[in-house]
Amino acid sequence: AQSVTQLDSQVPVFEEAPVELRCNYSSSVSVYLFWYVQYPNQGLQLLLKYLSGSTLVKGINGFEAEFNKSQTSFHLRKPSVHISDTAEYFCAVNGVTGGGNKLTFGTGTQLKVEL
Amino acid sequence: DAGITQSPRHKVTETGTPVTLRCHQTENHRYMYWYRQDPGHGLRLIHYSYGVKDTDKGEVSDGYSVSRSKTEDFLLTLESATSSQTSVYFCAISSRLAGEGETQYFGPGTRLLVL
Repeated sequence: AQSVTQLDSQVPVFEEAPVELRCNYSSSVSVYLFWYVQYPNQGLQLLLKYLSGSTLVKGINGFEAEFNKSQTSFHLRKPSVHISDTAEYFCAVNGVTGGGNKLTFGTGTQLKVEL
Repeated sequence: DAGITQSPRHKVTETGTPVTLRCHQTENHRYMYWYRQDPGHGLRLIHYSYGVKDTDKGEVSDGYSVSRSKTEDFLLTLESATSSQTSVYFCAISSRLAGEGETQYFGPGTRLLVL
């Protein structure tokens, strides 16, 4: 079994400030990790994903995430946010073996960028 | 856009009535998924399909059934809607299994209110 924890349900930040959205996972097997973004009244779209290789993954819109196996974390970061980054962000995990066809999602973090 | 449409986009129905939601894709992807999104729960998998007439249950399948008679269409049916099924429903598609690290592409969602 696997699970995802997004400890912060809401993160307010001022425009041009840096932000980190936290994601921790638990799994008994190797994992693939994903960050999705959901803008209001829209479906989810992929920001970035970690499959293997370099632990620092760069995604769209200037976001990046670092896979830390020892801390079982996959935190999302952006050095300078924009108003347009206001959205809900979901971390998701799938086991390489045993996870079957199931992506397990966290409960989401609402990022609100203020002027 | 990933070529996924959902219909209807909004629906209000009464308890005890049957409801069918449709997901249509133009990508010819093999795998299709139905999720529900609820506050505090993130996205949870209801059912998924790995080919025409091939479907399997997800973690919250009770009260739902699915059918896939064509590659491009995946139907979700609530046989007798209940208020607990009020939610936002998302369809997703992928060319390979989530267990292979494949990105899932999401539709715009259907907001269902059961009175």
